[in-house]
Amino acid sequence: QKEVEQDPGPLSVPEGAIVSLNCTYSNSAFQYFMWYRQYSRKGPELLMYTYSSGNKEDGRFTAQVDKSSKYISLFIRDSQPSDSATYLCAMSSSGGYQKVTFGTGTKLQVIP
Amino acid sequence: KAGVTQTPRYLIKTRGQQVTLSCSPISGHRSVSWYQQTPGQGLQFLFEYFSETQRNKGNFPGRFSGRQFSNSRSEMNVSTLELGDSALYLCASSWTGTGVIRGEQYFGPGTRLTVT
Repeated sequence: QKEVEQDPGPLSVPEGAIVSLNCTYSNSAFQYFMWYRQYSRKGPELLMYTYSSGNKEDGRFTAQVDKSSKYISLFIRDSQPSDSATYLCAMSSSGGYQKVTFGTGTKLQVIP
Repeated sequence: KAGVTQTPRYLIKTRGQQVTLSCSPISGHRSVSWYQQTPGQGLQFLFEYFSETQRNKGNFPGRFSGRQFSNSRSEMNVSTLELGDSALYLCASSWTGTGVIRGEQYFGPGTRLTVT
């Protein structure tokens, strides 16, 4: 079983919809939770990161972490066609250099 | 400021051959990490170099190796290529590597390797 599970999709939504992307994990040592966006033929770019549990908002994006359930989510409000990309969750434990464990990514398509 | 560059962008090799991929980090960044990305496994960590030393390593066979030069540029080598090595190989750079856990690493566009 993988340490991080993510539904690969694809997820197709109409423009303006609220999108919910999710990951589950098994390693209770994970403290840092990140969301990356990857456009076709590009490398991933960081959207936001959260430390431990709670919510974090950045514009149309909200990240939620529920450590008790080992479940993280990314919500995209008022989705735009430019949001069409693959979204990767990533996690790491704390202390010095720690490698990052990524989910397989969810492909999102926002239909105009 | 120029981003992370990777060369070549596309590569086709035959089983049994070896391949060398190159990565130039953002100016001033001293940590370079390599990842393999496949549809089934996602991004998997290969190794990380800092100041010419391998500091961290993922669970890949010894056929996968790398090195870092004094100017922080890095290369990774895969020997005796197998069909399963077909993937997108991504390089990411960061200042020191300690910010990676907060997402402070910048990815290049990757090298698409196809093994036939």
